[in-house]
Amino acid sequence: DQQVKQNSPSLSVQEGRISILNCDYTNSMFDYFLWYKKYPAEGPTFLISISSIKDKNEDGRFTVFLNKSAKHLSLHIVPSQPGDSAVYFCAASVSGSARQLTFGSGTQLTVLP
Amino acid sequence: DAGITQSPRHKVTETGTPVTLRCHQTENHRYMYWYRQDPGHGLRLIHYSYGVKDTDKGEVSDGYSVSRSKTEDFLLTLESATSSQTSVYFCAISETGFTDTQYFGPGTRLTVL
Repeated sequence: DQQVKQNSPSLSVQEGRISILNCDYTNSMFDYFLWYKKYPAEGPTFLISISSIKDKNEDGRFTVFLNKSAKHLSLHIVPSQPGDSAVYFCAASVSGSARQLTFGSGTQLTVLP
Repeated sequence: DAGITQSPRHKVTETGTPVTLRCHQTENHRYMYWYRQDPGHGLRLIHYSYGVKDTDKGEVSDGYSVSRSKTEDFLLTLESATSSQTSVYFCAISETGFTDTQYFGPGTRLTVL
């Protein structure tokens, strides 16, 4: 039973437009959420995070929104650039020792020039 | 970039042979993690360590063991490799394990024939 789900395996957007990547979770104990970006043959790199006490966090072109009642988070990239083409993973964790992350299965984003 | 290296980067081995993967960090972070990445599953936690000689199991620990004798090194051992352990393995580190982000190494691609 996947506790973190990314239901869209792939997404294509035009350069300059907005990319919206979605993630749903089932465990109401999750209180910290992260997005990672992964290029082929490299390890995931941290992008942005949000605590459950917030509903929005922004960092440059990247904004993460959290809707706790819907158990849903989304990552907005504006404007999208070809270099943003990668696999995006959302991850969640519960307060406590070791911050074990539970990952979604990932969404391949392709930004078309 | 966090100072994390993994060795080897690629390995092909045969069923039934022992395999050890090494993760080395230069950040002096307390927490270290081993994940595997498989299509459709995202990243899944195998084992983690919260200090020298302190380790615990993750979601998919069967068939794997770990050791941490020094802060900087975290070893993952497959005692008798099976084809189901063919995967890409990532090591991650975090400073405190509570609110800190996990930073990932470049990965090891393991093929078990």
